[in-house]
Amino acid sequence: SQQGEEDPQALSIQEGENATMNCSYKTSINNLQWYRQNSGRGLVHLILIRSNEREEHSGRLRVTLDTSKKSSSLLITASRAADTASYFCATDSSSGSRLTFGEGTQLTVNP
Amino acid sequence: DAGVIQSPRHEVTEMGQEVTLRCKPISGHNSLFWYRQTMMRGLELLIYFNNNVPIDDSGMPEDRFSAKMPNASFSTLKIQPSEPRDSAVYFCASSLQPREQYFGPGTRLTVT
Repeated sequence: SQQGEEDPQALSIQEGENATMNCSYKTSINNLQWYRQNSGRGLVHLILIRSNEREEHSGRLRVTLDTSKKSSSLLITASRAADTASYFCATDSSSGSRLTFGEGTQLTVNP
Repeated sequence: DAGVIQSPRHEVTEMGQEVTLRCKPISGHNSLFWYRQTMMRGLELLIYFNNNVPIDDSGMPEDRFSAKMPNASFSTLKIQPSEPRDSAVYFCASSLQPREQYFGPGTRLTVT
């Protein structure tokens, strides 16, 4: 089964609204990463948060990590139509090399 | 840098034929990953290399799949013989461990 599971599977919002996506995982991690995939394209790395961190920011992105609950959330503020994509969380375990991806959240931002 | 380069971008072949997918990682990266993505199974790691050495091939579906990395700038994923259930998008990614991975544009494989 997937290490990371995103919630919700699909999210539709209006431009300007905030979008929040959640990820849960099962085993201990070194870090957790979020990626975006536009339709028909490869995944693009967005942000990384280490297991000893609780929050990271990058532009309009905010990621939180709760290792006690084995969960993370990705917040996109002031969404734009160009944010429409699938968003995946990925975790690595003790080896640090291999990433396990969740099933993704399909975000649609309506103009 | 041009990013991770994959070829071909699209491949249509008949069942039983050999398929070879190619990948050029980002220069200087020491890890290379092959993934397969389908609607049913999501994104699956097939195999990854560190410093050109295969580390984990537990995701390779069966003996019909093989991967090589003869040098730091080139890798191939071969399917022989191909089957319709191999139809998917195959991604190559590279990284400078233990950092984020950079994905190529993918090869869309259709086996009829």
